[in-house]
Amino acid sequence: GENVEQHPSTLSVQEGDSAVIKCTYSDSASNYFPWYKQELGKGPQLIIDIRSNVGEKKDQRIAVTLNKTAKHFSLHITETQPEDSAVYFCAAARPYGNNRLAFGKGNQVVVIP
Amino acid sequence: EAQVTQNPRYLITVTGKKLTVTCSQNMNHEYMSWYRQDPGLGLRQIYYSMNVEVTDKGDVPEGYKVSRKEKRNFPLILESPSPNQTSLYFCASSLRGTGGDNQPQHFGDGTRLSIL
Repeated sequence: GENVEQHPSTLSVQEGDSAVIKCTYSDSASNYFPWYKQELGKGPQLIIDIRSNVGEKKDQRIAVTLNKTAKHFSLHITETQPEDSAVYFCAAARPYGNNRLAFGKGNQVVVIP
Repeated sequence: EAQVTQNPRYLITVTGKKLTVTCSQNMNHEYMSWYRQDPGLGLRQIYYSMNVEVTDKGDVPEGYKVSRKEKRNFPLILESPSPNQTSLYFCASSLRGTGGDNQPQHFGDGTRLSIL
């Protein structure tokens, strides 16, 4: 089955700097890659997703890039703010796979004011 | 407001005492799913449902049951809970689960179960 790995496990950044989290996946058939943000006491919230027919997608301060050849995708957060502090999960899914997501183990991002 | 609602949010119980965690969504979604989240293991799928009366096992189904009698509800049942089922549980839903086009999943805020 699909194996998704996230690096680094913990990331500390100064407020205003950029944060980058990288995920690798094993199944070359995967074509859907969402990113979730989980704040303390809350459920994962979808923040951005990308499909394999595009290489990059942006939404304000958040962007995701996908490299299908290398089988990795990354979350980029620019101009980080304290409210960006959370655990971030990446996931991957293949088409016609009953919408089943394979999640990475999560990254703790700490934004230092 | 579009949401996935889980109840209870917290529960402490004892081994062997049957319990049910309810999940309800108001978005008319076809697909619903249950996950458990454990430290160092991330999110793992327990069961999922493609539509009413259609359920299937995920990656860690042992010790759990589900039912999907109505589109909006997807309860998780622990017939005889054991301490290794102590975990944080999430219900999620998406527009559909069929087809080649994966749909974004929307999560509830979780249920923390402690089984003594």
